[in-house]
Amino acid sequence: AQKITQTQPGMFVQEKEAVTLDCTYDTSDPSYGLFWYKQPSSGEMIFLIYQGSYDQQNATEGRYSLNFQKARKSANLVISASQLGDSAMYFCAMREGPSNTGKLIFGQGTTLQVKP
Amino acid sequence: DAGITQSPRHKVTETGTPVTLRCHQTENHRYMYWYRQDPGHGLRLIHYSYGVKDTDKGEVSDGYSVSRSKTEDFLLTLESATSSQTSVYFCAISASLAGGWAYEQYFGPGTRLTVT
Repeated sequence: AQKITQTQPGMFVQEKEAVTLDCTYDTSDPSYGLFWYKQPSSGEMIFLIYQGSYDQQNATEGRYSLNFQKARKSANLVISASQLGDSAMYFCAMREGPSNTGKLIFGQGTTLQVKP
Repeated sequence: DAGITQSPRHKVTETGTPVTLRCHQTENHRYMYWYRQDPGHGLRLIHYSYGVKDTDKGEVSDGYSVSRSKTEDFLLTLESATSSQTSVYFCAISASLAGGWAYEQYFGPGTRLTVT
């Protein structure tokens, strides 16, 4: 069974608008972490945001926020005020178990294109 | 900056030849990982290391071996390269750089390997 699911292969958003990228996960481990990474066309993997399973509040990092709904096992990434430079592939990933040793399981990614 | 470099950045090799990819980090991080990225997949874990001479297998370890004789270097070896190992290989470290208690994973720039 797939542990991380990103159901949107591709998305478009108008510049300056907000966009939500979906991610659902499956785990029976009470201790886990959820990550979002950005991969621009240049190929590097850029860490964006992290949410721990015990964190009470949704994580935020600048224009990025993570809409964490634990009961629904979803961890959607919200990008506010989209910019042309946000055009990239976005990956959701999950770590099960201890934070420091974490091996990541990735979703298949969502390609986001920002229109001027 | 997590201080991770990978070498070589690009390599073309023939089927059946041995190949070694190097990951080098400058910040004395204990945990290191090798992932591969293929179209239609996110990143998948090949091997990981919890310290010098302490390594273990990941999801897609067949055909790969690793070594870590120094904290700063994590080597990935394809003993006899096959066309199915054509991929982009990413090294990662686990570190708490974002200011919180949790560990994130940070990735090197990647190595594009083509096996002909």
